[in-house]
Amino acid sequence: DIQMTQSPSFLSASVGDRVTINCKASQNINKYLNWYQQKLGEAPKRLIYNTNSLQTGIPSRFSGSGSGTDYTLTISSLQPEDVATYFCQQYNSWLTFGSGTKLEIK
Amino acid sequence: EVQLVESGGGLVQPGRSMKLSCAASGFTFSDYYMAWVRQAPKKGLEWVASISYEGSSTYYGDSVKGRFTISRDNAKSTLYLQMNSLRSEDTATYYCARRTGDYWGQGVMVTVSS
Repeated sequence: DIQMTQSPSFLSASVGDRVTINCKASQNINKYLNWYQQKLGEAPKRLIYNTNSLQTGIPSRFSGSGSGTDYTLTISSLQPEDVATYFCQQYNSWLTFGSGTKLEIK
Repeated sequence: EVQLVESGGGLVQPGRSMKLSCAASGFTFSDYYMAWVRQAPKKGLEWVASISYEGSSTYYGDSVKGRFTISRDNAKSTLYLQMNSLRSEDTATYYCARRTGDYWGQGVMVTVSS
C-alpha cells in the first residue's frame, strides 16, 4: 500500500504570505495526486488534480507541483478565507490520503 | 448540477449492521467509478471502498475488508455501502464521492456505540 506523509501538520501564517504544504509518497505515484481543502463542518473540496491542474472555480493563488514521490501545494498569497485543513490524496494505486495540514491565520 | 446525497446513517450497536445509500444526480452515474471515504471525529480522511462502472470490480481498505460491501444500482443512480460487524472504530462521517474526487456528498454520520 502507498503511504502519504504530509507536512507540516499545523501551519500559522499571515495574510499575504506564501504558504507551502508538502506530501511525500512511499513510492512513485506518477503525478496521480489531488489536493483538497476542507473547512469546518464541510465535505472536502478538490483544489488541484493531476498534481498541477486547477479545479474550475478555484482561485489562481492555489497551485500544485511535483513528480515522483514529492508533491507541493502552494498558496501564493494567503487570504482569510483559506483557513481550513488541506489534504493530499494519491490515486495511482487505490486511494490514500495524507494526514492533513491545519492552516490558520496568524 | 451534480449532486450526491447520502442517507441511512445513525446510531448502531457494536456487532450490528447498517446500510448507507448515496443518490446521484446531474451526471451519467454509470460513467464513473464511485467511492466511499470516511472521517472519524476530528481525524483525517480514510478511503473505505471503490467500485467500477458496472459494479463488476470492487476494492476495499484493509480496515473494512471482509466486513463492508460496496455496490451500485445504475438504473437507480444509487451507490450503497453495506456495513456488517460494526465496531466502535467505524464511527465516522461517511462520504460518497466520484472516484475522481471532483464531487462529494455532504456526508452521513455513523455512530457505533452501545
